Amino acid sequence: RKEVEQDPGPFNVPEGATVAFNCTYSNSASQSFFWYRQDCRKEPKLLMSVYSSGNEDGRFTAQLNRASQYISLLIRDSKLSDSATYLCVVNPSAMGGGNKLTFGTGTQLKVEL
Amino acid sequence: DVKVTQSSRYLVKRTGEKVFLECVQDMDHENMFWYRQDPGLGLRLIYFSYDVKMKEKGDIPEGYSVSREKKERFSLILESASTNQTSMYLCASSSDRAYNEQFFGPGTRLTVL
Repeated sequence: RKEVEQDPGPFNVPEGATVAFNCTYSNSASQSFFWYRQDCRKEPKLLMSVYSSGNEDGRFTAQLNRASQYISLLIRDSKLSDSATYLCVVNPSAMGGGNKLTFGTGTQLKVEL
Repeated sequence: DVKVTQSSRYLVKRTGEKVFLECVQDMDHENMFWYRQDPGLGLRLIYFSYDVKMKEKGDIPEGYSVSREKKERFSLILESASTNQTSMYLCASSSDRAYNEQFFGPGTRLTVL
């Protein structure tokens, strides 16, 4: 079983739609969680951290369900500029330890007119 | 402004050549990482370093070595390049604080002929 699993997509949605991605992780001891965004032919960049209480940043909402070991990302009112690959990322260790991260393979989103 | 730079954007080498990929960060980060990214496999950790002269194997270290003589510089070495090492190589750095973000360089697209 992969440490972090995501549906690769692509998710093709019209502009203005709401879209949700899920991600599951296998290590129940994982401590911190993130969503990164990667544009085509670019490097990954942090989109947002994911907290147990949920985290909202404008049109983006991230949630963590520790009991079921999944993380979600909700994008409301999708824009053309949201088209990218979204990487689910998990830090499997406690604080310190060099902050080694485990990356999912990514979910591709295409927002269309 | 946070910056991670990599020595080359594109590199073409022949089988058996020794290849050096350089990464420099200007954020005084303790941790540095080398990944490779391949379609369908996502980001895979090759080596990482917590401190100067310190290195740890990641998930796929075979065929690679690293060097960290200065805090800001982390080098990836392919001792004898092979065609299966054709890939996108991404360097990243992070600091030793909670919920650390990894900052990535722009990547080096290496082709081994």
